[in-house]
Amino acid sequence: RKEVEQDPGPFNVPEGATVAFNCTYSNSASQSFFWYRQDCRKEPKLLMSVYSSGNEDGRFTAQLNRASQYISLLIRDSKLSDSATYLCVVNGGSGGSNYKLTFGKGTLLTVNP
Amino acid sequence: ETGVTQSPTHLIKTRGQQVTLRCSSQSGHNTVSWYQQALGQGPQFIFQYYREEENGRGNFPPRFSGLQFPNYSSELNVNALELDDSALYLCASSFWTGFEQYFGPGTRLTVT
Repeated sequence: RKEVEQDPGPFNVPEGATVAFNCTYSNSASQSFFWYRQDCRKEPKLLMSVYSSGNEDGRFTAQLNRASQYISLLIRDSKLSDSATYLCVVNGGSGGSNYKLTFGKGTLLTVNP
Repeated sequence: ETGVTQSPTHLIKTRGQQVTLRCSSQSGHNTVSWYQQALGQGPQFIFQYYREEENGRGNFPPRFSGLQFPNYSSELNVNALELDDSALYLCASSFWTGFEQYFGPGTRLTVT
């Protein structure tokens, strides 16, 4: 089983749509969780950290279910500028080490006019 | 922007050569991590430096080595380059190991 697994995508949605990204992780000892976005040929940028109680930042909502080892990201009222690859990221790899980020492969989102 | 800088931006090397990539961390950050990102993949952890010591290492051979300096900037060295080393090399800095990491723009390495 991969350490971090995401929907393979790609997702193509119209402007204004709601889109959900799903992610599972294998290491139950993982401690921190993030969503990064990456534009084509650019570096990953931190979108939001994910907390156990769930958290919201404007149009973006992240949820964490530790029992199911499942993370989600919801984007409401999507904009053209949301087009990017979304990376699910877990801090704490095999053996419980908290020093490295383990990335999913990413899900490409294209928002169409 | 994150304040993390990397140099050079692009690099072309020949198989068997050696390369050094550089990274300056964000002000106030004492931890630097290096990642390799192949086309179509998520970044893969190479190693992390905290207060000038290697703090953890991913599944990369010993020909990948690094340094961190007293000002917390860092270098990634790769010896005996192979074609599969062609990738985007990303540096990320954080306030401390385990905290949120912020990435630099990367160095795109092509090995021919």
